Amino acid sequence: AQSVTQPDIHITVSEGASLELRCNYSYGATPYLFWYVQSPGQGLQLLLKYFSGDTLVQGIKGFEAEFKRSQSSFNLRKPSVHWSDAAEYFCAVATKAAGNKLTFGGGTRVLVKP
Amino acid sequence: EADIYQTPRYLVIGTGKKITLECSQTMGHDKMYWYQQDPGMELHLIHYSYGVNSTEKGDLSSESTVSRIRTEHFPLTLESARPSHTSQYLCASSEQGPYNEQFFGPGTRLTVL
Repeated sequence: AQSVTQPDIHITVSEGASLELRCNYSYGATPYLFWYVQSPGQGLQLLLKYFSGDTLVQGIKGFEAEFKRSQSSFNLRKPSVHWSDAAEYFCAVATKAAGNKLTFGGGTRVLVKP
Repeated sequence: EADIYQTPRYLVIGTGKKITLECSQTMGHDKMYWYQQDPGMELHLIHYSYGVNSTEKGDLSSESTVSRIRTEHFPLTLESARPSHTSQYLCASSEQGPYNEQFFGPGTRLTVL
């Protein structure tokens, strides 16, 4: 069965500093990979996705993620964090074997210090 | 504007009441999903549908039921609400095909007293 691990429950970062959120997945083949962001009291918004091809993926709001097959990872990065980036971030995977249903990681809460 | 809607956004209700959480999308998506999310926790799939008159249970067991009579509408019902049902419920939809990008509604925060 597919699974997703986000090792960091909370991350605090200063405004203007860089941010990296970790995501590891467990699945035999390459799954479809996603990063979503959830602001307080809101639904989820897709930041970026990876299906195949270039392993560095650009998303919205200045985010990017890199797929590393050898490490089964799909880490999310942003070079310079803004106060509005404070939110919960979820990594998710989907596989054909699971009928393309999404499996979510536990999420990482990002706090931004002024 | 194509979007996905959920009503109510917040609901506080007593034990034993029957409730229906509404979810509608205007994107013409065939696939729709219901997730349950406890505060600060991950999302768990409780129901999904791949089209009209198609409903399946998700990975997390739930006492709720769903129906899909129209493509755009995917309501979730609890026949007798209990405090253990207190949670946030998120609805999502996606197109057919292998690229399962899901679009989420704003969620319904349910509190059962």
